[in-house]
Amino acid sequence: DAKTTQPNSMESNEEEPVHLPCNHSTISGTDYIHWYRQLPSQGPEYVIHGLTSNVNNRMASLAIAEDRKSSTLILHRATLRDAAVYYCILQYNNNDMRFGAGTRLTVKP
Amino acid sequence: DAGVTQSPTHLIKTRGQQVTLRCSPKSGHDTVSWYQQALGQGPQFIFQYYEEEERQRGNFPDRFSGHQFPNYSSELNVNALWLGDSALYLCASSLLAARAYNEQFFGPGTRLTVL
Repeated sequence: DAKTTQPNSMESNEEEPVHLPCNHSTISGTDYIHWYRQLPSQGPEYVIHGLTSNVNNRMASLAIAEDRKSSTLILHRATLRDAAVYYCILQYNNNDMRFGAGTRLTVKP
Repeated sequence: DAGVTQSPTHLIKTRGQQVTLRCSPKSGHDTVSWYQQALGQGPQFIFQYYEEEERQRGNFPDRFSGHQFPNYSSELNVNALWLGDSALYLCASSLLAARAYNEQFFGPGTRLTVL
């Protein structure tokens, strides 16, 4: 199974951009790259996903390397409400998602 | 739209007992996945139900079983509970369609403690 590697934790200042990296060197050609986040005492929530091209939505941007072996989730202006564990996930077989340990993002005021 | 709901919120059992957890999917969704999340770890995929059948299964023993009803709601059953089964159990729903990707919506989870 293809796996993802993320830093255990990162810190950011409020109102500054945050770049959360993810390595997935064994990704297959049809794997989607997903990002979910889990706020304290809640279930995970969808952030963004992509296949080959960079993606933007109201929450974040996803930059995917040309060889697809890494990606970066970009929060353009971190707020205190963005403090969460962020998971980078590769999708297998439509809906079978394998979570890693994720990156715990701390946002400082 | 109530989103994904799970019951109960918390549960305490003793070793050897059996437990049933329940999940109602988001309106319009037909697929339910179950995950186990131990403290400090990411969710681990248990299995997925679609059209009342187990469609995919993760690396969990057959003590873990499930069911999906005609209204798409689902149950997770765990027999012969171990201390190691203590975790947050998450249910996620989605719509299984012809396209390759479907966003999953997660419920708040059921916190199971095994003593």
